[in-house]
Amino acid sequence: AQSVSQHNHHVILSEAASLELGCNYSYGGTVNLFWYVQYPGQHLQLLLKYFSGDPLVKGIKGFEAEFIKSKFSFNLRKPSVQWSDTAEYFCAVMDNNDMRFGAGTRLTVKP
Amino acid sequence: GAVVSQHPSWVICKSGTSVKIECRSLDFQATTMFWYRQFPKQSLMLMATSNEGSKATYEQGVEKDKFLINHASLTLSTLTVTSAHPEDSSFYICSAPEGGPNNEQFFGPGTRLTVL
Repeated sequence: AQSVSQHNHHVILSEAASLELGCNYSYGGTVNLFWYVQYPGQHLQLLLKYFSGDPLVKGIKGFEAEFIKSKFSFNLRKPSVQWSDTAEYFCAVMDNNDMRFGAGTRLTVKP
Repeated sequence: GAVVSQHPSWVICKSGTSVKIECRSLDFQATTMFWYRQFPKQSLMLMATSNEGSKATYEQGVEKDKFLINHASLTLSTLTVTSAHPEDSSFYICSAPEGGPNNEQFFGPGTRLTVL
């Protein structure tokens, strides 16, 4: 099964700073890629997903992610974060009906 | 988007008792549902894949006799934690893909289990 690595355990930013969260999966093939967000006390919500096509995917709330097949990566970006983006972010890879999550990155945005 | 519900949202039980958690897809059918466990400040760990009309597939290290899964219909999967112990206390989350197993997963809100 795939393993998913999220490089940053905890990221602290000031409002308006740019964000990039790393995500790598372990091996190639046809995979579906996801970023989920979990706000404090709430359940997982889908930010964006990549199935095929344009490797630059735009999601909700101004987030985007780029799939780089050669690097097995699917990094999440946002040009200008807001205090309300404070949450836990999970990268997930679906490979042959098997979905695996990264360990998560906690983002704290200081007002 | 599709909606997945879980019941109960939280439960407290005594050690040695069994607890049943339901996962329902409200507006779509799901032949496959997934059960995850999430420890505080950690990621989701896949426990098992629930298959409608057949046995569940358990991940390595997950005791199938302790975590009983029944996928009775195309909209309902249940997870029963048998003879619960304090170390079973956790957040249990289910998900279901809409439109086929490899499609987008929709997650339930989770069930917090506390075993005293």
